[in-house]
Amino acid sequence: NAGVTQTPKFRVLKTGQSMTLLCAQDMNHEYMYWYRQDPGMGLRLIHYSVGEGTTAKGEVPDGYNVSRLKKQNFLLGLESAAPSQTSVYFCASSKGTANTGELFFGEGSRLTVL
Amino acid sequence: EDQVTQSPEALRLQEGESSSLNCSYTVSGLRGLFWYRQDPGKGPEFLFTLYSAGEEKEKERLKATLTKKESFLHITAPKPEDSATYLCAVQAIPSNTGKLIFGQGTTLQVKP
Repeated sequence: NAGVTQTPKFRVLKTGQSMTLLCAQDMNHEYMYWYRQDPGMGLRLIHYSVGEGTTAKGEVPDGYNVSRLKKQNFLLGLESAAPSQTSVYFCASSKGTANTGELFFGEGSRLTVL
Repeated sequence: EDQVTQSPEALRLQEGESSSLNCSYTVSGLRGLFWYRQDPGKGPEFLFTLYSAGEEKEKERLKATLTKKESFLHITAPKPEDSATYLCAVQAIPSNTGKLIFGQGTTLQVKP
């Protein structure tokens, strides 16, 4: 049972380039999330989804887009990367009923924008 | 504004030396308070959920407690394998999703 899998684990981009981070979960969870973690800032929610075909903005959505075409996958896109988007990105999922705050996290994707 | 503050930022203990981590929170309405453990280079791992003041949860050497304004994570007789960053997060009413507000974490180092 893999849980939450993120790809790629590491990526270096130049300013202005685009990329997509992929998150896949095999727990049949309804809810999925993208957080970023920066030193001294804690984890901050970028976007989230409460079901296939639905997405919503979190605390820091600017510069990012997401899609949830399939229940098990949640994609995070950067259309024009900026140095401020250098961070560690975590995908998470949770059940859609009780215990929605009990999140299952992936191992993270470390992104550097030069 | 909903906010979570953890203290101390870092804590060094000798093996067997018990201590507590603090999580102070300000929310308009609390749906739940969560503790996570994060090892270096890994994603956070869920530990506990607390829903109401006075509630306590235990797991091995860890015990989490909750009051109306703060939560404590008590570590009894810690071992080196307890070394990690401990994250506190709150879920504020009316959210019923995983929209959590995280604190900055306390990095615990337990020396043998």
